[in-house]
Amino acid sequence: NAGVTQTPKFQVLKTGQSMTLQCAQDMNHEYMSWYRQDPGMGLRLIHYSVGAGITDQGEVPNGYNVSRSTTEDFPLRLLSAAPSQTSVYFCASSYPGQSEGYTFGSGTRLTVV
Amino acid sequence: GDSVTQMEGPVTLSEEAFLTINCTYTATGYPSLFWYVQYPGEGLQLLLKATKADDKGSNKGFEATYRKETTSFHLEKGSVQVSDSAVYFCALSDGGATNKLIFGTGTLLAVQP
Repeated sequence: NAGVTQTPKFQVLKTGQSMTLQCAQDMNHEYMSWYRQDPGMGLRLIHYSVGAGITDQGEVPNGYNVSRSTTEDFPLRLLSAAPSQTSVYFCASSYPGQSEGYTFGSGTRLTVV
Repeated sequence: GDSVTQMEGPVTLSEEAFLTINCTYTATGYPSLFWYVQYPGEGLQLLLKATKADDKGSNKGFEATYRKETTSFHLEKGSVQVSDSAVYFCALSDGGATNKLIFGTGTLLAVQP
């Protein structure tokens, strides 16, 4: 089925460990984004990309890196995990143009202990 | 900067009751407005959208009208069902080159039989 695929669905990390959250879409969407969802705070934008080779910071980028080598993939890297990064992470993609909504993945629930 | 404010939850209703979830926005330009729904354990799904003033978005019995004069996009449904229990997010897209989505904090709706 066409859509946004995130892996893993669940992950527990120890403080200081690194990991990569994977995101792939098969809809040829140019725009891709990473959000984190925390109770009472809605979704906050971490990083986004408007096309292959182009990335930029969102509202809460500290502690995260991204790259966009292909249109399909947009991995999110945690270089040194901290308990404050415990959250649910969503990847989303869309076509250009403000009238189109984003398609979201099913999320990765990350716990940092 | 642009922002979205929506009513705090939880909202608890009996089946077949009328639903209103308030959403107001602040934007310098002419944003598109969206309602997303998140069912338990799932990602966000686009529920409805409106791209210009006085547009009405509708889907699955839900409606929202883009009111520029009051900067509002309230979500309504005439008769809710238990299956409507979810978290509802109001969002705007600023229409810039980045196509970023800005979310409200979400409103939990619980419908009791």
